[in-house]
Amino acid sequence: ETGVTQTPRHLVMGMTNKKSLKCEQHLGHNAMYWYKQSAKKPLELMFVYSLEERVENNSVPSRFSPECPNSSHLFLHLHTLQPEDSALYLCASSLGRNTEAFFGQGTRLTVV
Amino acid sequence: AQSVAQPEDQVNVAEGNPLTVKCTYSVSGNPYLFWYVQYPNRGLQFLLKYITGDNLVKGSYGFEAEFNKSQTSFHLKKPSALVSDSALYFCAVRDADTGFQKLVFGTGTRLLVSP
Repeated sequence: ETGVTQTPRHLVMGMTNKKSLKCEQHLGHNAMYWYKQSAKKPLELMFVYSLEERVENNSVPSRFSPECPNSSHLFLHLHTLQPEDSALYLCASSLGRNTEAFFGQGTRLTVV
Repeated sequence: AQSVAQPEDQVNVAEGNPLTVKCTYSVSGNPYLFWYVQYPNRGLQFLLKYITGDNLVKGSYGFEAEFNKSQTSFHLKKPSALVSDSALYFCAVRDADTGFQKLVFGTGTRLLVSP
């Protein structure tokens, strides 16, 4: 148990659905991350929120939309996904540049 | 932009032998370096980090890593491998000199320890 909780653990969705992934941490961290893990790109950084700023990987399609309402919660909104978006989505948080990130267990997403 | 290279997709070692998992990095400023391990269907677990100071850092489960600035490397080592060390290992880097916490990972190295 790392203190970072992701829900749901598993999600199956159709290409026309809209769903959201949730991540929360109560570790007092000030940065939160979304990573995509797949066979093609093992750990791809998608988004970082730090001190209310956002950095995104420009290669992430617009069908992925992050939201960080406060420093403890992070969402990834999904819409009109493609089968190639099927992957393990990992959330992480950290406090300061010289500290390690703590990872959640991930959400296994399958797009059908 | 920072990047990490893990040149070996897989490392095979016999139990009881020493192991090394290689990592090289690229950052514009000074690096903060990390190693993580991932077991099947699990998130990433932190092993160790280099921030500053002694180039040899020790971490969990008997692992250690050596920071080499001239070779921009941060190889993970263990003197005597266990079958239970078999897992996926990731190296990561963060730029110490920018005002952001972007953490970039390598492609991972699968370690297989045989009995």
